[in-house]
Amino acid sequence: GIQVEQSPPDLILQEGANSTLRCNFSDSVNNLQWFHQNPWGQLINLFYIPSGTKQNGRLSATTVATERYSLLYISSSQTTDSGVYFCAGSNTGNQFYFGTGTSLTVIP
Amino acid sequence: DGGITQSPKYLFRKEGQNVTLSCEQNLNHDAMYWYRQDPGQGLRLIYYSQIVNDFQKGDIAEGYSVSREKKESFPLTVTSAQKNPTAFYLCASSESGMATQYFGPGTRLLVL
Repeated sequence: GIQVEQSPPDLILQEGANSTLRCNFSDSVNNLQWFHQNPWGQLINLFYIPSGTKQNGRLSATTVATERYSLLYISSSQTTDSGVYFCAGSNTGNQFYFGTGTSLTVIP
Repeated sequence: DGGITQSPKYLFRKEGQNVTLSCEQNLNHDAMYWYRQDPGQGLRLIYYSQIVNDFQKGDIAEGYSVSREKKESFPLTVTSAQKNPTAFYLCASSESGMATQYFGPGTRLLVL
């Protein structure tokens, strides 16, 4: 299967700061998703982004498929952004491989 | 409201017992998935199903079984053969195999 490496593993930010999370893949993927897991365990899909750039409010994501990485940008962070961010990639259409996540804590 | 429901929220299993986790969706999605999450780890795929009456093993299927008799339902049974079942179990669905996945709230399974 595909190995997925996320960095940094942990991140602490002051409210209002910006951050960049990175996801590297061991093999090419033609499908990539970013998720946010809240402290209660619920996963919310943030982006479905096999290539290119997408933006949704204060969040944006960029995937460079040829170089096997994706970036998630969080601007003007808020305490509600705290949680764990996962990326997941697939090249088969059947199975997504998840990274171990970036744990983000935003302090007021 | 459309969504994915999982029950129960917490489940306790005794040694040698089989237990079944429920997953229901009313999104009319064709594909459904079961993942296992251990503390501090990412999600690992147990089983997935692209259509009714068909399902495929994921990376960690040993000790688990599933059925897909209805489009909206994809129950997971944790059998006594699964020696380390304590984990957070998440069900997901998508319109197709390569589409956005939507997750249920999860079931926490503990062994007594």
